[in-house]
Amino acid sequence: AQSVSQHNHHVILSEAASLELGCNYSYGGTVNLFWYVQYPGQHLQLLLKYFSGDPLVKGIKGFEAEFIKSKFSFNLRKPSVQWSDTAEYFCAVNALLRGNKLVFGAGTILRVKS
Amino acid sequence: ETGVTQSPTHLIKTRGQQVTLRCSSQSGHNTVSWYQQALGQGPQFIFQYYREEENGRGNFPPRFSGLQFPNYSSELNVNALELDDSALYLCASSSQGASGANVLTFGAGSRLTVL
Repeated sequence: AQSVSQHNHHVILSEAASLELGCNYSYGGTVNLFWYVQYPGQHLQLLLKYFSGDPLVKGIKGFEAEFIKSKFSFNLRKPSVQWSDTAEYFCAVNALLRGNKLVFGAGTILRVKS
Repeated sequence: ETGVTQSPTHLIKTRGQQVTLRCSSQSGHNTVSWYQQALGQGPQFIFQYYREEENGRGNFPPRFSGLQFPNYSSELNVNALELDDSALYLCASSSQGASGANVLTFGAGSRLTVL
């Protein structure tokens, strides 16, 4: 079965620190990859996505993610976090030959201290 | 454009009861997916509806069922509620068809508590 692993469940950073959230998936075929974010009190929102092409994708609010096919990874990065980045971040994978479902990781709760 | 709206936002039921959750998809979207998010976990795929038919199902028993209406809105029905059904139920809509990449727009969810 497909699975998505997010390496850290809780991350605490100070403002201006760099962020990297790990995400690995278990499916070997063609995939679409996503990062969703849930700010406190808000619904899930798309942060960025990878379908094909340049494996380094840029999303909203200065976030980027790199797809490394050989490592089955899609790590999320931001050079300098802000207090407003406090949220829960979910990595999700759609294995194209296995239907339309997204398989989500368990999420990483990021708290940025001001 | 209007987003995805879900109702009710919160509800409490007892074991054995039945519940219906409702979802209005974002304007222009024709596909609706339902996810269950238990506390401390990521969303888990329940099923997807496209053209009023179920188009993919996750590992959920038959007592989880759904409908999609001609206006693309949707319902999730759960019969014979169990304590483990307590969760946030998320509806997501997209404009993709029966295949292809899904970029989902999520609603705020319906939080179900089963006592």
